[in-house]
Amino acid sequence: GQNIDQPTEMTATEGAIVQINCTYQTSGFNGLFWYQQHAGEAPTFLSYNVLDGLEEKGRFSSFLSRSKGYSYLLLKELQMKDSASYLCAVMDSNYQLIWGAGTKLIIKP
Amino acid sequence: DAMVIQNPRYQVTQFGKPVTLSCSQTLNHNVMYWYQQKSSQAPKLLFHYYDKDFNNEADTPDNFQSRRPNTSFCFLDIRSPGLGDAAMYLCATSRDGGRGGETQYFGPGTRLLVL
Repeated sequence: GQNIDQPTEMTATEGAIVQINCTYQTSGFNGLFWYQQHAGEAPTFLSYNVLDGLEEKGRFSSFLSRSKGYSYLLLKELQMKDSASYLCAVMDSNYQLIWGAGTKLIIKP
Repeated sequence: DAMVIQNPRYQVTQFGKPVTLSCSQTLNHNVMYWYQQKSSQAPKLLFHYYDKDFNNEADTPDNFQSRRPNTSFCFLDIRSPGLGDAAMYLCATSRDGGRGGETQYFGPGTRLLVL
């Protein structure tokens, strides 16, 4: 079966750095997405990785290792507005998105 | 601004009473998706349209139907809502089904409450 694993919840302090991990087992691989979802709202696109390595976008970076079936999302200089769920999703060989259940990130002052 | 619009944002229905959720897009994308998302769970794909071609997920209950009368609009019909169908329903679009790393664009969602 296809499976995406990520921690259920994480807590971090305002101004700090946090890393959210995602491991996956899917039928084929056509890229990995990270989305941010605030409570009661729709997911919004953060990043896309299809090749191994680090993609940096401002305070957010995403890393991929295809051989390990592993990705992480790195958030720097945390702000209170970063409190949200972060969803990892993998596009499989049929171009279907396989979603993780999301990691709820709680930011404390 | 180009966007994905869902109406209504909140919908209350009675057990067994048919309900229709609507989605429209100004992006002129080929693909439209309907997802069901329950609290603290991953979005679950119900079905999607590639142009007029309807693709139903194998585990989507028959109670859920969809219509896409034109490129811009897509509807989700729940014929006999049960208590277990209370959820957030997300509509999303993509230009060409995700090839080349294109993301899906989501509407704000409709939260369905079944009484």
